[in-house]
Amino acid sequence: NAGVTQTPKFRILKIGQSMTLQCTQDMNHNYMYWYRQDPGMGLKLIYYSVGAGITDKGEVPNGYNVSRSTTEDFPLRLELAAPSQTSVYFCAAQDQRQKNEQFFGPGTRLTVL
Amino acid sequence: GESVGLHLPTLSVQEGDNSIINCAYSNSASDYFIWYKQESGKGPQFIIDIRSNMDKRQGQRVTVLLNKTVKHLSLQIAATQPGDSAVYFCAENTGGFKTIFGAGTRLFVKA
Repeated sequence: NAGVTQTPKFRILKIGQSMTLQCTQDMNHNYMYWYRQDPGMGLKLIYYSVGAGITDKGEVPNGYNVSRSTTEDFPLRLELAAPSQTSVYFCAAQDQRQKNEQFFGPGTRLTVL
Repeated sequence: GESVGLHLPTLSVQEGDNSIINCAYSNSASDYFIWYKQESGKGPQFIIDIRSNMDKRQGQRVTVLLNKTVKHLSLQIAATQPGDSAVYFCAENTGGFKTIFGAGTRLFVKA
């Protein structure tokens, strides 16, 4: 049981490039989330999904897109990378029956130059 | 609007002492209040939670206190160890899928 896995661990992008951050969970949890964490700051919600085929915007969705074709996968897409998107990105999953615990992946550190 | 905030950005304690990390919240309707620990280079990890109808909950070396009158949450760590050095986030669950995280407190443990 690997929990939540994220790839890649690190990535450097040039301004205007695009990429997809991968997130997979093997816990069969319906709820999944993408957060970004800027240095010395807390977590900001980018997008979330309450189940396959359903996604919604969080606090800071601009510049990102997501899809949820399966319960397991929740990729995050950056279409035109900007320096403001330099951050650490965390994916998380939560059992819809539990309100108290999200399981986080190890994060992807993204730098946009 | 909703917010979960922390009183102190950093806390430094001597190994063996007790640590107290504080948090203020604003949403009286939250069901759960949760503490997460984030070690360097890792994702946050659940430590302990407390339901809104409780005042105190104890775990292994950790205690969470909830004061609904002043909307205050605290995490107490007994006999703090070097392995407790991390950033601690308080969070509140406002219903089902929505959890709001605070800014975090960095705990330094001095040997």
